[in-house]
Amino acid sequence: EAAVTQSPRNKVAVTGGKVTLSCNQTNNHNNMYWYRQDTGHGLRLIHYSYGAGSTEKGDIPDGYKASRPSQENFSLILELATPSQTSVYFCASGDAGGDNSDYTFGSGTRLLVI
Amino acid sequence: QQNVQQSPESLIVPEGARTSLNCTFSDSASQYFWWYRQHSGKAPKALMSIFSNGEKEEGRFTIHLNKASLHFSLHIRDSQPSDSALYLCAHLPNYNVLYFGSGTKLTVEP
Repeated sequence: EAAVTQSPRNKVAVTGGKVTLSCNQTNNHNNMYWYRQDTGHGLRLIHYSYGAGSTEKGDIPDGYKASRPSQENFSLILELATPSQTSVYFCASGDAGGDNSDYTFGSGTRLLVI
Repeated sequence: QQNVQQSPESLIVPEGARTSLNCTFSDSASQYFWWYRQHSGKAPKALMSIFSNGEKEEGRFTIHLNKASLHFSLHIRDSQPSDSALYLCAHLPNYNVLYFGSGTKLTVEP
């Protein structure tokens, strides 16, 4: 079954440390996305990618980097984690186009920066 | 940045009630629209989608899209406690990027 898998599920990081969140998809979608979810803000777009080797900035990219080394994998990198980056992070994959458009989410990574 | 406004922020209804959730978007060029449902601690999952003006019904759920008024809504008939969740509207203002509203938290009381 096609899926989006995120790791880790939970992470505690120290302020100033480096954090890498990983995402793997078996949907064979070209596009992948990283969102964060905070109470009252819905899902906010951090970075996205059109395919291997590409990364694009979303609405809130500051403090985050992204890497898309292959069709299947998309990582979110926090070089210097801050407490304001405490949140739940969701990865998604999807391709737009008519009634077959489908965006699938991973189960999320809960990040606490202390 | 695309602006997607949802109302109300939260809603409590009795079991069996008809529930209406609303979404206003800012880009009249958007072609694709979704409602996602997210149960507590879980990933968002697509509930229904619509790609042209009008109405679409699936079981107890009906969605309306009016692109001229930039309005998109979800109606739930005979609401059930299992419908309790965060409902997120989303649209695709360009070909590849999905933008979400801030969500409506629905609680259906038995």
